[in-house]
Amino acid sequence: AQSVSQHNHHVILSEAASLELGCNYSYGGTVNLFWYVQYPGQHLQLLLKYFSGDPLVKGIKGFEAEFIKSKFSFNLRKPSVQWSDTAEYFCAVNALTGGGNKLTFGTGTQLKVEL
Amino acid sequence: DTAVSQTPKYLVTQMGNDKSIKCEQNLGHDTMYWYKQDSKKFLKIMFSYNNKELIINETVPNRFSPKSPDKAHLNLHINSLELGDSAVYFCASNQRGGPGELFFGEGSRLTVL
Repeated sequence: AQSVSQHNHHVILSEAASLELGCNYSYGGTVNLFWYVQYPGQHLQLLLKYFSGDPLVKGIKGFEAEFIKSKFSFNLRKPSVQWSDTAEYFCAVNALTGGGNKLTFGTGTQLKVEL
Repeated sequence: DTAVSQTPKYLVTQMGNDKSIKCEQNLGHDTMYWYKQDSKKFLKIMFSYNNKELIINETVPNRFSPKSPDKAHLNLHINSLELGDSAVYFCASNQRGGPGELFFGEGSRLTVL
């Protein structure tokens, strides 16, 4: 079974700082990768996704993520964070086993951006 | 139009009661899910239905009983509620055989007193 690790549980940054959130997964086969964001009191929204092709994917609100297959990683980045980026960020993996979709989520990273 | 809608959004009840949460999606997807998010924000899959057929059933107490009358609806009934059932329950949907992207509802916050 696949698993997803997010190493940073709580991150506090000042506005305009750069952000990188780590995500590693364990599964040797083909995967689809996702980052979701959950703003306070809201539901999960898709930030970006990787299916195939260019390993550097760009999402909404200036976020991007890079898939490094050799490292089983899919880290999320943003060059300059804003106060409105304060939220919980979840990495998720869908292992393409042919047995149906089962998205496995990491434990989440709580990002707080201070003014 | 809300793509994945859940009702109720908030539910406060006493221990031992029975309650239901309903979910409907208008995205034309054939697969629906229930996820539980605990107080630490950890998301855990509970159930999944594909075209009314149960395909994922994680280790969940049998007090939880999902029901899917059709592929656009997935309900969750919980019997004999316990304090530990307090959480936010998210419904989600996608298309089986697709890339796996999930579309989430806004969540139903259940508080058991």
